Amino acid sequence: GQQVMQIPQYQHVQEGEDFTTYCNSSTTLSNIQWYKQRPGGHPVFLIQLVKSGEVKKQKRLTFQFGEAKKNSSLHITATQTTDVGTYFCAYPRRDSGYALNFGKGTSLLVTP
Amino acid sequence: EAQVTQNPRYLITVTGKKLTVTCSQNMNHEYMSWYRQDPGLGLRQIYYSMNVEVTDKGDVPEGYKVSRKEKRNFPLILESPSPNQTSLYFCASSQGQNQPQHFGDGTRLSIL
Repeated sequence: GQQVMQIPQYQHVQEGEDFTTYCNSSTTLSNIQWYKQRPGGHPVFLIQLVKSGEVKKQKRLTFQFGEAKKNSSLHITATQTTDVGTYFCAYPRRDSGYALNFGKGTSLLVTP
Repeated sequence: EAQVTQNPRYLITVTGKKLTVTCSQNMNHEYMSWYRQDPGLGLRQIYYSMNVEVTDKGDVPEGYKVSRKEKRNFPLILESPSPNQTSLYFCASSQGQNQPQHFGDGTRLSIL
């Protein structure tokens, strides 16, 4: 069956360092979404990637979708304390009518 | 303002006492879903609905019921709550199942 892993589970960085989280699937994904959840908050949509090899940027955030559409990454350049939170990838799952499923998330802690 | 509203935000109750968590959206979205969030397990989908009178099971539907009699409302019903249903619950809506999800603020349930 389809398996999607999100790594790492946790990441602790010093402010100014870069951060990357990865979502890796055993099967091809039709699209992938990324969300951010601040501590005590709810997930907030960041971006959706659809095309093979797609790269999108939002200020210091860079999102990539692999050529084979099995992998995706979120990279933050020069982290700030406002980047603290949990980042989730979300993908349509084949064996559940393509309902949207979420990865387990990567929790980012940024210390000043 | 476009929003997803959940009630209550917090609830402490006892085993076996039926409860309902309401969810309402004002964006005329067709797709709605319920998730539970537990430490280390990420967001797991409980039920989803593609449209009025159309509901389907997610990953963890046991012990839950839903209904979709109107487009804007998607209540989550726990007929006989048990302590393992203690969790943080999120309702979400979107234009379609692969479109960006808009989340409510969450409901923290404690079943004693």
